[in-house]
Amino acid sequence: GAVVSQHPSWVICKSGTSVKIECRSLDFQATTMFWYRQFPKQSLMLMATSNEGSKATYEQGVEKDKFLINHASLTLSTLTVTSAHPEDSSFYICSATGTDDQPQHFGDGTRLSIL
Amino acid sequence: GNSVTQMEGPVTLSEEAFLTINCTYTATGYPSLFWYVQYPGEGLQLLLKATKADDKGSNKGFEATYRKETTSFHLEKGSVQVSDSAVYFCALSDHGYNKLIFGAGTRLAVHP
Repeated sequence: GAVVSQHPSWVICKSGTSVKIECRSLDFQATTMFWYRQFPKQSLMLMATSNEGSKATYEQGVEKDKFLINHASLTLSTLTVTSAHPEDSSFYICSATGTDDQPQHFGDGTRLSIL
Repeated sequence: GNSVTQMEGPVTLSEEAFLTINCTYTATGYPSLFWYVQYPGEGLQLLLKATKADDKGSNKGFEATYRKETTSFHLEKGSVQVSDSAVYFCALSDHGYNKLIFGAGTRLAVHP
């Protein structure tokens, strides 16, 4: 089946640094990738949708300059949390799909802890 | 706006017990409804779906019926196994599989 790999699975860093999370589709071409954020005991919240070769579409309330998304190829999207602060600590999950009529395939998530 | 509410967990059952996880939704229009499952250490996987009223989605012994009159999509399984232990997410979408809106998730623990 379709596999999405997310890396790293866990990262701890100091406040003020930038952190990059990678999301790769291993065996299919992902025309669309999604980034979610999940707080403890809460829903996955869609942050943004990215299509290969174009700018990401951010959901209302998500800071574009804070969460930089790049989808430069059909197999890779990256989320960079810039100048991270403790309130950015969360679980970030990506998903990918080849076409709109196919289910999203999810990565295992990245736990980000900002000290 | 659209939203999904599902029962809080954890739900703890003995093997072979009957499972129900409640899910209700609020939506304008006629969304598609989904159940996703997340096994320990893995990403979310689509378990089943229903795209219109009275549709029944089923997979791996699980089933859920799209009830428009009660705006519900409750997940059921007649006899759970230890291997069903996971977190279950109810979700909806107005755009096929895109723009999913998830519930908070319900953790299921099945004991031998």
